[in-house]
Amino acid sequence: DQQVKQNSPSLSVQEGRISILNCDYTNSMFDYFLWYKKYPAEGPTFLISISSIKDKNEDGRFTVFLNKSAKHLSLHIVPSQPGDSAVYFCAASAMGSQGNLIFGKGTKLSVKP
Amino acid sequence: ETGVTQTPRHLVMGMTNKKSLKCEQHLGHNAMYWYKQSAKKPLELMFVYSLEERVENNSVPSRFSPECPNSSHLFLHLHTLQPEDSALYLCASSQEKRGGEKLFFGSGTQLSVL
Repeated sequence: DQQVKQNSPSLSVQEGRISILNCDYTNSMFDYFLWYKKYPAEGPTFLISISSIKDKNEDGRFTVFLNKSAKHLSLHIVPSQPGDSAVYFCAASAMGSQGNLIFGKGTKLSVKP
Repeated sequence: ETGVTQTPRHLVMGMTNKKSLKCEQHLGHNAMYWYKQSAKKPLELMFVYSLEERVENNSVPSRFSPECPNSSHLFLHLHTLQPEDSALYLCASSQEKRGGEKLFFGSGTQLSVL
C-alpha cells in the first residue's frame, strides 16, 4: 500500500504559467516532506522541503504548501520554464524516528515554450 | 554534480553473471543507501548503511549483496539475477541516518538482465 501518492503521472504547462504538482500521503507520522527533481539519465536532486510545523515554504520560483488536515502537499512553480521539464518526486519521512524517505511514483512535468 | 558518483552508468548482464555496482561519496556523510527504481514504481529502499554498519535490509533477495568497506564507498554485488531485476539502481548518502535528512543521489546504474 502506497504511503505517498502522486496521482498525476504527467502534467503539461505553457512556459510562463504556473505548474502545480500534487502529492497525498496516508501516514500521519510523517512530519517532513521533500520534493526531488529528476532529469533523464541523472539521479534525483533535492529541490525544496517543508516540516509539518509550517504550511508554506518558498524558495525562488518554487513554493511548497502543506495541508496537514488533508494530508496533502503541493509544489508550485511560477513562472514555469522549459528547463523545469523533469520528473518530480514527492517524499516523506518521520523526523523523530529513524524514518526512511518514502517516495511517490513521480509526476513528469513538460513545460512547452 | 551531487558529490555521489556511481559506476558503471549502464550494465548489461546475463542471469549467470556476477557483477558489482560501485558508489563513492565525497560529502563526508555517515549514511549510504541503495535504492531501486523500476518502471512506473516508486523508488524502493534496498539497503542502508550507517557508519559502515548495515542498519536496514528491506527484504531484498540474497542475489543482491551490499558491501560498505568505509563511510565513503558502497558496493552492490550482483549474482544470478533475474530479468525482473532490470531497473535503475541509485546510490544515495546523507549526513546521518535519521528522519528529516536530505538524501544526495548519484546518477544511477541502468541495469539490464538478459
